[in-house]
Amino acid sequence: GNSVTQMEGPVTLSEEAFLTINCTYTATGYPSLFWYVQYPGEGLQLLLKATKADDKGSNKGFEATYRKETTSFHLEKGSVQVSDSAVYFCALSRPPYNQGGKLIFGQGTELSVKP
Amino acid sequence: DAGVTQSPTHLIKTRGQQVTLRCSPKSGHDTVSWYQQALGQGPQFIFQYYEEEERQRGNFPDRFSGHQFPNYSSELNVNALLLGDSALYLCASTRETEAFFGQGTRLTVV
Repeated sequence: GNSVTQMEGPVTLSEEAFLTINCTYTATGYPSLFWYVQYPGEGLQLLLKATKADDKGSNKGFEATYRKETTSFHLEKGSVQVSDSAVYFCALSRPPYNQGGKLIFGQGTELSVKP
Repeated sequence: DAGVTQSPTHLIKTRGQQVTLRCSPKSGHDTVSWYQQALGQGPQFIFQYYEEEERQRGNFPDRFSGHQFPNYSSELNVNALLLGDSALYLCASTRETEAFFGQGTRLTVV
């Protein structure tokens, strides 16, 4: 079946450190891939997305590249800030409603950034 | 422009009772999805409504049912509540592309 696997957290980094959160997926066909962020006490916000192989999604200094050959969509940021502390979710959706349909989420990775 | 709004924000129910959660989608959005997020887990898809019909459904029992109204707002109903139904219930609205999430309803079953 379709699934998403993320690296386990929590991840603790110092401010300005480099961030990588690994995400791999299993899916038939050509899924769309997403990273969502959830701040404490809030709902999920879309951080970035990619809809086809080799696409790079980017937003607020975060980047992720859709790698079909390795079925991966790793999240990276060159210099994290305390305000980036949150839980990050990798997700996919499949045809026929790729970007508007059912989202399959990973288990989430909690990031804590210390000053 | 109001985003996705959910009510109530918190709810405590007793095992065996029934509950109704409500969602108003973002303006212009015609599709509503519901997710269950257990503590420390990723959201799990319950179902999606489009044009007042259930379009997709996840692996949830029939105790979970829903409805979409002509103004696109939606309700999630859960019957015969179990302790395991305690979770954050998220509503997301979409119009063709990006899904916008509400802040959720925290349901506690005691």
